[in-house]
Amino acid sequence: TQLLEQSPQFLSIQEGENLTVYCNSSSVFSSLQWYRQEPGEGPVLLVTVVTGGEVKKLKRLTFQFGDARKDSSLHITAAQTGDTGLYLCAGASGGSYIPTFGRGTSLIVHP
Amino acid sequence: DTAVSQTPKYLVTQMGNDKSIKCEQNLGHDTMYWYKQDSKKFLKIMFSYNNKELIINETVPNRFSPKSPDKAHLNLHINSLELGDSAVYFCASSQAGGYPDTQYFGPGTRLTVL
Repeated sequence: TQLLEQSPQFLSIQEGENLTVYCNSSSVFSSLQWYRQEPGEGPVLLVTVVTGGEVKKLKRLTFQFGDARKDSSLHITAAQTGDTGLYLCAGASGGSYIPTFGRGTSLIVHP
Repeated sequence: DTAVSQTPKYLVTQMGNDKSIKCEQNLGHDTMYWYKQDSKKFLKIMFSYNNKELIINETVPNRFSPKSPDKAHLNLHINSLELGDSAVYFCASSQAGGYPDTQYFGPGTRLTVL
C-alpha cells in the first residue's frame, strides 16, 4: 500500500496570503492528482501531473511534481475565501489506474 | 444534469438496521466505485466495479454488499449497521483505461448510526 502524507493537516490564513501544501511518499508514482473538496460536496479534480519535475499552473494555483515522482506541492498565490476547502493529493502507480488518496489538507481562508 | 448522483444525501438510522445507498452516473463510464470518508476526512476506496463486475474489494466487512444492475448504477447495501459505520460514503465513476484515471465523485451520503 502506497502511503501519501500531506502537510500541513490544517491551515488557517487571511485573504491575500500565499500558502504551500505538500504531498510526500516513499513510493514512486506514475501520476499524481490534486482534488479539492468543498464542504458537503465530493472531491473535484484540479490537475494531473505525470512527468517528474512537471509544473502546471491553474490561475493562482501552481502544482509541481517532484523530479523523483515521489512528492508534489500545491502553491496558492493571494488566497481568496473561495479557495477554502479540503485539498487531497492522490497517486497512481504499479500499472493501477485507481488512485490512492492522502489524508488531505483542510484550508480555511478568512476575509 | 448531475454527472454522478447519490441518494439519499443524509441517512440517520439505528444500530442493527439494514440500509441501502443508490448511485447513478450519466457519464457513460465503465467503472464505478464506493469510497468511505471518515471523520478525519480520510478517503478510502471500498469497492470498484467495471462493467458490472467486481474488480476491487478492499478489506471491508461482509456486511457491506455492492450491487451493479448495469454499468450506470452501483448500489451499496449495508446489513446490521454499527456505530463505526458512521461516515460519508462517496460514489465515483471513471473511464477505465484512461490512465491516469480521473475520479468523478457524487455529492456523498452522510450516514449516522445511533
